[in-house]
Amino acid sequence: DAKTTQPNSMESNEEEPVHLPCNHSTISGTDYIHWYRQLPSQGPEYVIHGLTSNVNNRMASLAIAEDRKSSTLILHRATLRDAAVYYCILNRLQGAQKLVFGQGTRLTINP
Amino acid sequence: GAGVSQSPSNKVTEKGKDVELRCDPISGHTALYWYRQSLGQGLEFLIYFQGNSAPDKSGLPSDRFSAERTGGSVSTLTIQRTQQEDSAVYLCASSQTLRNTEAFFGQGTRLTVV
Repeated sequence: DAKTTQPNSMESNEEEPVHLPCNHSTISGTDYIHWYRQLPSQGPEYVIHGLTSNVNNRMASLAIAEDRKSSTLILHRATLRDAAVYYCILNRLQGAQKLVFGQGTRLTINP
Repeated sequence: GAGVSQSPSNKVTEKGKDVELRCDPISGHTALYWYRQSLGQGLEFLIYFQGNSAPDKSGLPSDRFSAERTGGSVSTLTIQRTQQEDSAVYLCASSQTLRNTEAFFGQGTRLTVV
C-alpha cells in the first residue's frame, strides 16, 4: 500500500485558515487522495477526495501538487468543532478499494 | 436510520469467551470494512468485503478473528477466546460499488475484555 506522511499534530486559532499537509511521494497514477477526519469519540467521517485537480466542497478544499507527491487540506475558517484527527489516505483505482489509515494529524483549535 | 449501524455499542466480556459484533451497512452499499482502534491509536484495517468477491482478510490479527457477510448485507465479526489485548473500539464502514466514493462509518462497538 502506498504510504502517506503527515505531521503528528498541528495547532491553529479559531476563525483562521488551517493548512494540513500530506506527503505521498510513492503515489501512482491511479491513486486517489482521500481525507477523513475523526472527531473525539466518533467514527471517522469523509472530508474530501481528488485525483489531480484541486477540489472544493462545503467542508474544505484540497490542493494537489502538480507532481501529485503532496497535497494540502485547507479548512478556510476553523471552528472549535474542527478539532479532530485528520487522515490522508491513498485509494487505489485498480484492485480493492481498501482504505488504509496512517496515524493522521491531531488538529487542536484554540478559542 | 440511513447510516451504518453497529451493535452492541458497548460489550464487556470475560477473557476466554467468544463475542460477536454486528454491522448493518447502508442499504445498497456493496463494500463493507471492519477496523479496530485501540485506545489512543490509529485505525487498524481488519477485513474488507466487496460484493460477491472473496473477502480481503489480510488485516485479521490471528485465527481467533473471523467475519462473515450474509446476503451481501449484514456482517458479523467474531472473536473467539478473547484476550485482554482484544480490547478496542471495533468500527465498521460501508461504501457504494463505484470506486473512490466515500465510506460511511458506524459509531463503533467498544469491547472490553476483563
